[in-house]
Amino acid sequence: GDSVTQKQGQVTLSEDDFLFINCTYSTTTYPTLLWYVQYLGQGPQLLLKVTTANNKGISRGFEATYDKGTTSFHLQKASVQESDSAVYFCALAEGSWQLIFGSGTQLTVMP
Amino acid sequence: EAAVTQSPRNKVAVTGGKVTLSCNQTNNHNNMYWYRQDTGHGLRLIHYSYGAGSTEKGDIPDGYKASRPSQENFSLILELATPSQTSVYFCASGDAGWGDSAETLYFGSGTRLTVL
Repeated sequence: GDSVTQKQGQVTLSEDDFLFINCTYSTTTYPTLLWYVQYLGQGPQLLLKVTTANNKGISRGFEATYDKGTTSFHLQKASVQESDSAVYFCALAEGSWQLIFGSGTQLTVMP
Repeated sequence: EAAVTQSPRNKVAVTGGKVTLSCNQTNNHNNMYWYRQDTGHGLRLIHYSYGAGSTEKGDIPDGYKASRPSQENFSLILELATPSQTSVYFCASGDAGWGDSAETLYFGSGTRLTVL
């Protein structure tokens, strides 16, 4: 079945560092891929969404590119801030409805 | 602004007891979901609903029931709670929109359940 893999459980950076969070997926379809972010004490919220039509999503300084060749959907940000500390979930949408979430990556940004 | 409210925020239950987690949304979304979040597993779907009166099983429904009495309310019921159900539970409502290839989920703030 469809699946999403995030191998990095935790990432620790300093402010102004470059962020790269790895996400790979497995599916027989052409899904929509998403990143959700969860701040401490809150539920997840949509960060960005990418379809096969547009290939790249950009939001709040974060960027993710849909690479069908490597079946990857990595999240990047040029310069992180302490306020970016959160859990980041990669997700795959089956059809228009159900999401399959990755296990999440805890990002800690040190001041 | 989308609003999903969960209650209670924290709950301690005893093994074998009945637990009801409540969720209310003011978004007028048709779809609602219950997930649990555990370290190393991310978010796993328990039950979902397409509208009032409907409930569907998600990926891990065993030990859980759901109820959708109205558009706004969606409950998760643990008839006989077990320690393995200790987790953080999130409710979400979904807005697919027209021509959208994936709906956006709006999550509540979660309920932390501890089963002793």
